[in-house]
Amino acid sequence: GDSVTQMEGPVTLSEEAFLTINCTYTATGYPSLFWYVQYPGEGLQLLLKATKADDKGSNKGFEATYRKETTSFHLEKGSVQVSDSAVYFCALSRSWDSNYQLIWGAGTKLIIKP
Amino acid sequence: NAGVTQTPKFQVLKTGQSMTLQCAQDMNHEYMSWYRQDPGMGLRLIHYSVGAGITDQGEVPNGYNVSRSTTEDFPLRLLSAAPSQTSVYFCASSAIRTGGTYGYTFGSGTRLTVV
Repeated sequence: GDSVTQMEGPVTLSEEAFLTINCTYTATGYPSLFWYVQYPGEGLQLLLKATKADDKGSNKGFEATYRKETTSFHLEKGSVQVSDSAVYFCALSRSWDSNYQLIWGAGTKLIIKP
Repeated sequence: NAGVTQTPKFQVLKTGQSMTLQCAQDMNHEYMSWYRQDPGMGLRLIHYSVGAGITDQGEVPNGYNVSRSTTEDFPLRLLSAAPSQTSVYFCASSAIRTGGTYGYTFGSGTRLTVV
């Protein structure tokens, strides 16, 4: 079945470091891909999305490119801040799915040290 | 502000008690769902609804009931609380026509402890 695999955390970085959080997926057809962020004590917020191959989603300095050839949607940021500490979830949506479900990765906790 | 509102934010129950977690959205979204989030387990779908009068089970439905009498509200009922139901519960909604493109809007969560 369809699935999303994220790198295990926690990922610990120093402020201003470069960030990559890996996400790969398995799906038939052409899903939409999402990154959500969950700050401590809060609900999930949509961070960015891409709906077709080679699309690049971006928001708040984060970027991810939909790579169909490698079935990946890795999250990157050039210079992280302490305020980026959160849990990041990768997810896919199958537009042909009549149940309208998102398939979720397990989440990756990011810790940024000053 | 438009969005998904969950109440209460925190709740402590004794084993065997029942309660209802409330979820309301004001975006006229057809799709609504309940998730639970446990440490190291990510998000697990409990129940979902694609419109008023229509509900279906997700991955972990046992011990929970839902109903959808209006587009706006989607309450989650715990029939007889058990310690295994200690978790953080999230409600999410989306417009069915755009959910595949725009994703879900989440509430801020209800932290439930069953003692």
